[in-house]
Amino acid sequence: GENVEQHPSTLSVQEGDSAVIKCTYSDSASNYFPWYKQELGKRPQLIIDIRSNVGEKKDQRIAVTLNKTAKHFSLHITETQPEDSAVYFCAATPKAAGNKLTFGGGTRVLVKP
Amino acid sequence: KAGVTQTPRYLIKTRGQQVTLSCSPISGHRSVSWYQQTPGQGLQFLFEYFSETQRNKGNFPGRFSGRQFSNSRSEMNVSTLELGDSALYLCASSWAGPDEKLFFGSGTQLSVL
Repeated sequence: GENVEQHPSTLSVQEGDSAVIKCTYSDSASNYFPWYKQELGKRPQLIIDIRSNVGEKKDQRIAVTLNKTAKHFSLHITETQPEDSAVYFCAATPKAAGNKLTFGGGTRVLVKP
Repeated sequence: KAGVTQTPRYLIKTRGQQVTLSCSPISGHRSVSWYQQTPGQGLQFLFEYFSETQRNKGNFPGRFSGRQFSNSRSEMNVSTLELGDSALYLCASSWAGPDEKLFFGSGTQLSVL
């Protein structure tokens, strides 16, 4: 089955700097890659997603890139703010797997004012 | 529009007991998935239901089961509870097809003593 690895496990940045989180996946059939943000004690919230027919997608300060050949995808947060502090999860799923998401281990991001 | 609703929010049980968790999806959503979240194992897929049928299943023992009703509401049941079943159980819903966006509930925090 699919296996997703996520790095780094923790990330500390100064407010205003950029943050980058990287994930690799194993199943070449995976074609949907969402990113979730989970604040302490709250539900995971979808912040951006990308499908395998697209190489990059942006939404304000957040962008995701996908390299199908290398089987990795990355989350980029620019101009970080204290409210970006949370745990971020990447995930992947092959179309045939329905909504069976395989998640990475998570990255705890701390934005220091 | 109401989000995904899970009840109860917290639950304390003892080993050997059984427990039933409930999930009401976003109105119109027909797919309901369940995930287990623990500090050690992260987010792991349990199963997915669509139109009252189990569409996908993760690698959990048979003590974990679920069902979906005609109104798309779903329940999961864990029998013969073990200490290791202590976790946050998250429900997620989506419209219908595979690789549709998943929206999570706030979860049920289960503690097994």
